[in-house]
Amino acid sequence: EAGVAQSPRYKIIEKRQSVAFWCNPISGHATLYWYQQILGQGPKLLIQFQNNGVVDDSQLPKDRFSAERLKGVDSTLKIQPAKLEDSAVYLCASSLSRDLQKLYFGPGTRLTVT
Amino acid sequence: AQSVTQLGSHVSVSEGALVLLRCNYSSSVPPYLFWYVQYPNQGLQLLLKYTSAATLVKGINGFEAEFKKSETSFHLTKPSAHMSDAAEYFCAVRASGVGGADGLTFGKGTHLIIQP
Repeated sequence: EAGVAQSPRYKIIEKRQSVAFWCNPISGHATLYWYQQILGQGPKLLIQFQNNGVVDDSQLPKDRFSAERLKGVDSTLKIQPAKLEDSAVYLCASSLSRDLQKLYFGPGTRLTVT
Repeated sequence: AQSVTQLGSHVSVSEGALVLLRCNYSSSVPPYLFWYVQYPNQGLQLLLKYTSAATLVKGINGFEAEFKKSETSFHLTKPSAHMSDAAEYFCAVRASGVGGADGLTFGKGTHLIIQP
């Protein structure tokens, strides 16, 4: 089966600009997560979707970050405006249900903010 | 809130030697614990998980981990290191599950170096 797809793979922007990342989970996977992985650290959960509803966004910096999953399939994560500290790899992951034993991670989008 | 602490940001062992990567957790509920591996320029891959069944968990590539509630630990071991084991290893604990939230909280990672 195809894995979790993410695009773009790399993005370089200047601070205060906007950026959007796209994730296409594995077909049929109801649960989708976005994680932020800063260099030298472990991934940090930003938001969890169950179908098109938000289950947990407690660690999402809502003043600048937003995410949506309108039809319960693809998801978009947006940053507006970007700050230098947003430089990181943004990982998307999905699972068939809330079953972390079968969680699949995408390759990530590496964001550099200059 | 759940958290994990990985002791040692870098661990170096000789090829063929025992690998021991340490992880301690904090959880307000019975924990689900995981070890993930990340090879350079690759995605995260699940090594093994503990979900309240057997306390000694066997994973892929010869790795295993033992859940010790009294020590709040979930250390990862492998009897004999191979050069291909060189990677970043992350310990993670599942969220409490309140309201359906079950995202993972990861440790900072341990970089495993294998000396020839």
